[in-house]
Amino acid sequence: EPEVTQTPSHQVTQMGQEVILRCVPISNHLYFYWYRQILGQKVEFLVSFYNNEISEKSEIFDDQFSVERPDGSNFTLKIRSTKLEDSAMYFCASSMVRGRLNTEAFFGQGTRLTVV
Amino acid sequence: DAKTTQPPSMDCAEGRAANLPCNHSTISGNEYVYWYRQIHSQGPQYIIHGLKNNETNEMASLIITEDRKSSTLILPHATLRDTAVYYCIVRVGTSGTYKYIFGTGTRLKVLA
Repeated sequence: EPEVTQTPSHQVTQMGQEVILRCVPISNHLYFYWYRQILGQKVEFLVSFYNNEISEKSEIFDDQFSVERPDGSNFTLKIRSTKLEDSAMYFCASSMVRGRLNTEAFFGQGTRLTVV
Repeated sequence: DAKTTQPPSMDCAEGRAANLPCNHSTISGNEYVYWYRQIHSQGPQYIIHGLKNNETNEMASLIITEDRKSSTLILPHATLRDTAVYYCIVRVGTSGTYKYIFGTGTRLKVLA
């Protein structure tokens, strides 16, 4: 079964450093998402991406965050200058359109980001 | 903010049906109800979704009330591996701007 793949599974970075989290969505999907989950808290929407541009973003997704689909297969989330409070699990998801319907989103297994 | 409310926790005996309720009284006519679950800190796993008709797949059944203000996810024969947090989600937005807003979910514990 096709799946969303995220790398790395765990990343440790120093505060103030830039990190790039990588995702390979399911190949025929057109909608892409990033979510995060701080330990013990709920899954929070960060951003959605469609047709090569951001379609929606939350208030969490400030100027420190950016997303890119550099080569038609990868979907990346960049955090420019990490803060301690950026420590969380980051989930990538993708979905497709079938006819006029947008199907369910499939989530990757996440990248655990630890900022020290 | 999430458009759904769920009980924070439930227990279910192994082999019995688990019925997980969800209220979504402010749902709009074209918004779908989705159910996902999360086992430990793994990525949310899709279970089922529906608009107004009841739905069934190999994992579960989804019963949506006629007024669409609530729904119930049914796991017909719960196993220990079904222990997880179950999220009822109303997908908001329009084509090109969809998003899934997670609430706090129901922590289901299946007991041996």
